[in-house]
Amino acid sequence: DIQMTQSPPSLSASLGDKVTITCQASQNINKYIAWYQQKPGKAPRQLIRYTSTLVSGTPSRFSGSGSGRDYSFSISNVESEDIASYYCLQYDNLWTFGGGTKLELK
Amino acid sequence: EVQLVESGGGLVQPGRSLKLSCAASGFTFSDYYMAWVRQAPTKGLEWVASISYDGGSTYYRDSVKGRFTISRDNAKSSLYLQMDSLRSEDTATYYCTTGGAYWGQGTLVTVSS
Repeated sequence: DIQMTQSPPSLSASLGDKVTITCQASQNINKYIAWYQQKPGKAPRQLIRYTSTLVSGTPSRFSGSGSGRDYSFSISNVESEDIASYYCLQYDNLWTFGGGTKLELK
Repeated sequence: EVQLVESGGGLVQPGRSLKLSCAASGFTFSDYYMAWVRQAPTKGLEWVASISYDGGSTYYRDSVKGRFTISRDNAKSSLYLQMDSLRSEDTATYYCTTGGAYWGQGTLVTVSS
């Protein structure tokens, strides 16, 4: 089974900051990684698929990159509506979610 | 508009069974690989099971193999999860999803005596 190590578990940012979350897979996942945003009491929302493809409706301040085992997700110019938890998901071989990152306001 | 509506959750005793349903609308259901994902209270997301477009292939996480069965009825645009021999650690909100793109609102399953 593929393991996904996501870091950091929590992140504190000020409005306008740039933040970056990373996910490392236990093996090459061939760019098959998606990123999700989840707000309390709500279902996850897909933001990015296939490493860097923004899903329709995802603001351009969100971005993703990476290859092989190492991937990152960034939010430039954090806005108040971005306060949420974020998860990576590998879908190269079955599915595995990362442990999540809780983004809070500083 | 794509809609996924889960139902069937509730309180169940350990060792008992429960069947979840997910009614889909707004898209051609048979065109999508489907999955169930769960989230224990205050915990992260966890993939549970997936099923191919025609139901011919199914996949499960190790902890539910032999206890859970995923199935679909393309004529009814519905996805199911039969959960047997439930354990306290199966307590979670269960989401159905179209291969990760669209998600239902979730249904809560609580396993407790």
